[in-house]
Amino acid sequence: AQKITQTQPGMFVQEKEAVTLDCTYDTSDQSYGLFWYKQPSSGEMIFLIYQGSYDEQNATEGRYSLNFQKARKSANLVISASQLGDSAMYFCAMREGETSYDKVIFGPGTSLSVIP
Amino acid sequence: DTGVSQNPRHKITKRGQNVTFRCDPISEHNRLYWYRQTLGQGPEFLTYFQNEAQLEKSRLLSDRFSAERPKGSFSTLEIQRTEQGDSAMYLCASSATTGLHSPLHFGNGTRLTVT
Repeated sequence: AQKITQTQPGMFVQEKEAVTLDCTYDTSDQSYGLFWYKQPSSGEMIFLIYQGSYDEQNATEGRYSLNFQKARKSANLVISASQLGDSAMYFCAMREGETSYDKVIFGPGTSLSVIP
Repeated sequence: DTGVSQNPRHKITKRGQNVTFRCDPISEHNRLYWYRQTLGQGPEFLTYFQNEAQLEKSRLLSDRFSAERPKGSFSTLEIQRTEQGDSAMYLCASSATTGLHSPLHFGNGTRLTVT
């Protein structure tokens, strides 16, 4: 069964606008961590932001923030004030702390295109 | 911190040949991961080491794939009797010792083309 779901294969956003990339996950662990990565066309994987399952506040890192809804098992990435350089693939990932030896699994990704 | 290093960057091989890739993690990281990524898809988990112990191997991985991490330092991934379906980017990542919060640091990958 798919543990990470990203339902938006492709997204478009106007430059300077905000955009939300969806991520839902499935786990029976109480302790887990959620990550977002960016992969531009050059191919490198860039870590953006982390949210722990016990964190009471939504994570923020500069223009990136996480809309974490634990009961709904969703961890959506919000990018504010989009820039042309934000055009890339975005992956949601999860590390389960109890059942799978800290393995990290990734979702299928969302392709974001920023339009000038 | 010199980052995660992977060699070679590109490998072209004929079907049926064996190939081996190397990954050098960030020196203080004891967790090491291998992933496979095809165009437009997310990284697919292959296997994971903590120090020299291989803790998990994907059930999707055939017996043609094997990985080692002798002495808990660098790691190698070998694919025997390559098939065209093995063509992909092979990514290595390392992570600090403890904590759910430690992000994976990725290398630039090895692109395998099987002809």
